[in-house]
Amino acid sequence: QVQLVQSGAEVKKPGASVMVSCKASGYSFSVYWIHWVRQAPGQGLEWMGWINPNGGGTNYAQKFQGRVTMTRDTSISTTYMELSNLGSDDTAVYYCARGILLAGKGCFDYWGQGALVTVS
Amino acid sequence: DIQMTQSPSSLSASVGDRVTITCRASQSINSYLNWYQQKPGKAPNLLIYAASKLQSGVPSRFSGSGSGTDYTLTISSLQPEDFATYYCQQSYSMPRTFGQGTRVEIK
Repeated sequence: QVQLVQSGAEVKKPGASVMVSCKASGYSFSVYWIHWVRQAPGQGLEWMGWINPNGGGTNYAQKFQGRVTMTRDTSISTTYMELSNLGSDDTAVYYCARGILLAGKGCFDYWGQGALVTVS
Repeated sequence: DIQMTQSPSSLSASVGDRVTITCRASQSINSYLNWYQQKPGKAPNLLIYAASKLQSGVPSRFSGSGSGTDYTLTISSLQPEDFATYYCQQSYSMPRTFGQGTRVEIK
């Protein structure tokens, strides 16, 4: 079955960087883009960007341009999201999600369990 | 960026009630509209894609409709496990954007 398993919770100091991983299994890793979405405590969902595991192409939300880097390691079916120069407002649960076309339109059909990043 | 506005932000309902949540896009998104359910401490779960298509495994009491800029998620008979927060999301263009969420609470 399709699974996305993320790395564990992190506590970081302001100004530091964090890297969250997302290991895929149960499907062909290179076929589907991986998106990253975050959720601050008690808040809604915020899309950060995507990575195409086939070739490594990326697209980032303008808000995170210059601070976020998404990479992948196809040998272990894992994608990474690194966010630098952390501030307190980056405290959030970070999710990876598989992007898929259904009925010709995109959606996120599988999600990781989330990784809490606390900046303090 | 396309802004997604959900209403209401929260609602109280009883088991068995019919519940309707609306989502309005700041421009036409041509049915590139998805609905997700999120329970506390859990990742979102896809309910409806392409505005009206039921994701595999999702109960048939959930349905979606709409076109252009206006979309609706309906729960025909609210069940105890449906108390959660619901988000709409557009996939018409980048950046992908979500509504602010609608919290469905027990009356």
